[in-house]
Amino acid sequence: AQSVSQHNHHVILSEAASLELGCNYSYGGTVNLFWYVQYPGQHLQLLLKYFSGDPLVKGIKGFEAEFIKSKFSFNLRKPSVQWSDTAEYFCAARSNDYKLSFGAGTTVTVRA
Amino acid sequence: NAGVTQTPKFRILKIGQSMTLQCTQDMNHNYMYWYRQDPGMGLKLIYYSVGAGITDKGEVPNGYNVSRSTTEDFPLRLELAAPSQTSVYFCASSSPSGANVLTFGAGSRLTVL
Repeated sequence: AQSVSQHNHHVILSEAASLELGCNYSYGGTVNLFWYVQYPGQHLQLLLKYFSGDPLVKGIKGFEAEFIKSKFSFNLRKPSVQWSDTAEYFCAARSNDYKLSFGAGTTVTVRA
Repeated sequence: NAGVTQTPKFRILKIGQSMTLQCTQDMNHNYMYWYRQDPGMGLKLIYYSVGAGITDKGEVPNGYNVSRSTTEDFPLRLELAAPSQTSVYFCASSSPSGANVLTFGAGSRLTVL
């Protein structure tokens, strides 16, 4: 199974600031990558995913992520955050089995 | 279309008690999963199933059991509750055609005292 690490446990920023959350995975073969978001009091929702093709993927709410195979990374970005982006963000990876491995999560707090 | 439904949403157990967390999905998904979420630890896979009658252990199966008698239902059983099982439990499902994009339930918060 995959091992997924997220670099930041808690990020605090102001509205309109840019956001980048780091994610690295361990497996060197074919991998599917995901970012999930959990808004306060809600369940996890898919933000974006990468399976193949263009390494820059765009998701909902203005988020995007870049797959860099040589660095085993799948970092999440948003150019200008809003207060409503306050949430916990999880990177996840799946290799050759049915199991999805999650990182520890990054809590993002956006100050109005 | 309800998606993935979990019950109960909240439960308090005493040490040594048993209980079952229910999970049902109405999307005809083959794959179903149980995760637990602990602060700062992300989600850990407890058990998963690729179809009715087939289950397998995930990363943290000790203290839990599952069954998959139908495509729709995937209950998680705690036999002898321990404080270490205090957590938020999420059930999820996916289909092969959906490339394993998981749909999650709302979660069940369990406290063992």
